[in-house]
Amino acid sequence: DGGITQSPKYLFRKEGQNVTLSCEQNLNHDAMYWYRQDPGQGLRLIYYSQIVNDFQKGDIAEGYSVSREKKESFPLTVTSAQKNPTAFYLCASSHQGTGNTIYFGEGSWLTVV
Amino acid sequence: AQSVTQLDSQVPVFEEAPVELRCNYSSSVSVYLFWYVQYPNQGLQLLLKYLSGSTLVKGINGFEAEFNKSQTSFHLRKPSVHISDTAEYFCAVSARDNTDKLIFGTGTRLQVFP
Repeated sequence: DGGITQSPKYLFRKEGQNVTLSCEQNLNHDAMYWYRQDPGQGLRLIYYSQIVNDFQKGDIAEGYSVSREKKESFPLTVTSAQKNPTAFYLCASSHQGTGNTIYFGEGSWLTVV
Repeated sequence: AQSVTQLDSQVPVFEEAPVELRCNYSSSVSVYLFWYVQYPNQGLQLLLKYLSGSTLVKGINGFEAEFNKSQTSFHLRKPSVHISDTAEYFCAVSARDNTDKLIFGTGTRLQVFP
């Protein structure tokens, strides 16, 4: 089945450690996105990529990094510079073009202790 | 820049009653509008979207929304809700000239009681 796979679903890390969240899609979508979700704040865009080897900062990119070496993959690294990393992270993808639907993965819960 | 306001953080309703979830947006350019639903610990699923044409948009699970340009609103409605509709609902907007960024509201928690 086509879709977006995020892993792991749940992740615990000690403060000060970097952690990488995986996102893979087999929908042949050009664009991929990472959102962060906090209670009562909706979704906020961290990074997005329209094509391989290119990506742009979203609204809350500080403390995060990404890469887009393959069309299917868009991993997100939460670095130790991110002050409040505990959150629900959602990966998404879409075709390029106006009004196209953005499809979401199942999300990853990151808890930093 | 665009912004979205969902005025109600929570909406409690009894099963089989009608419901309306409110969404207002702000934008200096023409927009596309979306409603997504999120079930607990899951990603978001598209309910419906407005791109152009008829201002009344029908989506999945019996939901519909009406685009009102003069009131800059895109309220979501369902004539009769089920227990299974209990979820978080997000309104979102993107500019027609820059669809790479989808701006979300803070969400409305719909709680359906038997």
